[in-house]
Amino acid sequence: EAQVTQNPRYLITVTGKKLTVTCSQNMNHEYMSWYRQDPGLGLRQIYYSMNVEVTDKGDVPEGYKVSRKEKRNFPLILESPSPNQTSLYFCASRHLGGANEKLFFGSGTQLSVL
Amino acid sequence: GENVEQHPSTLSVQEGDSAVIKCTYSDSASNYFPWYKQELGKGPQLIIDIRSNVGEKKDQRIAVTLNKTAKHFSLHITETQPEDSAVYFCAASWDSGSARQLTFGSGTQLTVLP
Repeated sequence: EAQVTQNPRYLITVTGKKLTVTCSQNMNHEYMSWYRQDPGLGLRQIYYSMNVEVTDKGDVPEGYKVSRKEKRNFPLILESPSPNQTSLYFCASRHLGGANEKLFFGSGTQLSVL
Repeated sequence: GENVEQHPSTLSVQEGDSAVIKCTYSDSASNYFPWYKQELGKGPQLIIDIRSNVGEKKDQRIAVTLNKTAKHFSLHITETQPEDSAVYFCAASWDSGSARQLTFGSGTQLTVLP
């Protein structure tokens, strides 16, 4: 089954404790992206990647890191989480090129930073 | 950058009635406008999209209209059913030559009352 898999689904942590949210897709998509969803603000892009070893900042990159060492994986790293990073996070992927621009989203990771 | 405004933030309709969600965008270069539906506990899923060379597109009970002059586009759902209850996001993007970056609206919580 074609899917984007994020782990964990729920995460509670404390300020300053490094964490990683994993994202994996099995569709051989070139493009992967991370979004955060906050009430009243919709989905805001954190980082995106167009291929292996190619990453770029989105609209709200401060406090986050990403890496793209393999095509299928795109982990989101919070080196020193702060309470304002409490949010619902989504990973997404799609093919580049062609007429189909559909983004496939994971099921989300609800992060709480205390 | 692009700015997308979405209204209303919440919408309740009786089953069988129609629902309309409206979005405006700021960048006249935007030429692709998808709509995503997010069911409770899941990631957003593409339900319909429209490009700037088309004024309207239909898919069964859902339709999207685009007014390029006024820079607004709308989602229309007819004969609403309880399973239409979800959060709906509009988005706008332009082809930057590298990869499209979507700017999402703030979302509309649609509730269909039985």
